[in-house]
Amino acid sequence: EAAVTQSPRNKVAVTGGKVTLSCNQTNNHNNMYWYRQDTGHGLRLIHYSYGAGSTEKGDIPDGYKASRPSQENFSLILELATPSQTSVYFCASGDWYEQYFGPGTRLTVL
Amino acid sequence: AQRVTQVQSTGSSQWGEVTLDCSYETSEYSYLILWYRQLFSGEMVFLIYQPSFDTQNQRSGHYSVVFQKSFKSISLVISASQPEDSGTYFCALSELGGGNNKLTFGQGTVLSVIP
Repeated sequence: EAAVTQSPRNKVAVTGGKVTLSCNQTNNHNNMYWYRQDTGHGLRLIHYSYGAGSTEKGDIPDGYKASRPSQENFSLILELATPSQTSVYFCASGDWYEQYFGPGTRLTVL
Repeated sequence: AQRVTQVQSTGSSQWGEVTLDCSYETSEYSYLILWYRQLFSGEMVFLIYQPSFDTQNQRSGHYSVVFQKSFKSISLVISASQPEDSGTYFCALSELGGGNNKLTFGQGTVLSVIP
């Protein structure tokens, strides 16, 4: 069974603070993705990775960094969190025809 | 640039057939259209995909698609809908040329199936 896990599931952060969202997959997929979901926008791609050591900018990368230290792990980093980054964040891993999503992390920046 | 558009919401009666529409923009020859359902818990569940290079409409369980490639349009058809089919349905475009398989999502259609 494909498995993507995320931590934390919920996070409250202060403006200007650093936030790290973590993702782990046991699918052995090369590609991993970070999306955010806001009302009325569906899911939008922030960063993605082709494999360990690689990160690429997605459609809305500003204010975010990513790190892929291993095949299994992919992190999303907010160096200076802002209230506009309050959202639900989804990690996914995938092959050419399907992506498997994690349960999501609800981030609130006060 | 890729873009995906969906109708905001729709409703159905139990046992009825539901059609959810999606239109998209892409300049790529090879791509996939995928459908996901988001449960009320937030979980994203993969339903079905249609390759651009396959002229046959795909089917999976009580889901099928009607693919109109020349119109850059695709519909998800849910047969014999049940209240538990209620939720938000997303259409997503994956362009195959770049090898990254990143998805561009529509805004989602909220489906309510009334008993």
